[in-house]
Amino acid sequence: AQSVTQPDARVTVSEGASLQLRCKYSYFGTPYLFWYVQYPRQGLQLLLKYYPGDPVVQGVNGFEAEFSKSNSSFHLRKASVHWSDWAVYFCAVSPHSGYNKLTFGKGTVLLVSP
Amino acid sequence: AQTIHQWPVAEIKAVGSPLSLGCTIKGKSSPNLYWYWQATGGTLQQLFYSITVGQVESVVQLNLSASRPKDDQFILSTEKLLLSHSGFYLCAWRTGTGGRQDTQYFGPGTRLLVL
Repeated sequence: AQSVTQPDARVTVSEGASLQLRCKYSYFGTPYLFWYVQYPRQGLQLLLKYYPGDPVVQGVNGFEAEFSKSNSSFHLRKASVHWSDWAVYFCAVSPHSGYNKLTFGKGTVLLVSP
Repeated sequence: AQTIHQWPVAEIKAVGSPLSLGCTIKGKSSPNLYWYWQATGGTLQQLFYSITVGQVESVVQLNLSASRPKDDQFILSTEKLLLSHSGFYLCAWRTGTGGRQDTQYFGPGTRLLVL
């Protein structure tokens, strides 16, 4: 069965500093991987998606993620964090076929300090 | 462009009362539709998905049911609410094109508080 682990429940970063949010997945084979963001009291917005190919995926608002099959990871990065990035970030995994099953991690709360 | 609408925005309901939440998607024919539940401060759990009108597959029961009465509509309901039903309910649709463009997009959600 597929699963996602986000080991950090909360991450605090100073505004302007770089960011990495960790995501480890468990899946037999190469999955589709996603990062979604949830701003306070809102639904989820897609940041980026990994489709087999280039390991580094560019997303919206300066976010990128790097897929590593050897490490079973899909970490999210941003070079310079802005206060508006304060949100909950979810990593998710889906198989290639039977796409109707999307499994989410528990989420990481990103706090941005001035 | 596709738009997804959920209603109501929020509800406060009594334990044991019935519930009906709705989701409508415009601008996409025959979408795959999904219901998710998010406990306060928790992760998202897929509840149901539907590929076509009249067909609904259950992923996790949670004493809820779902129906797809129209191509663009997905309904989540229960006859008797439990305290554990409180949370945030999200509807999603899938582009369903396969390959790089295949992605799930989420609606704004309905916040439910059961007292």
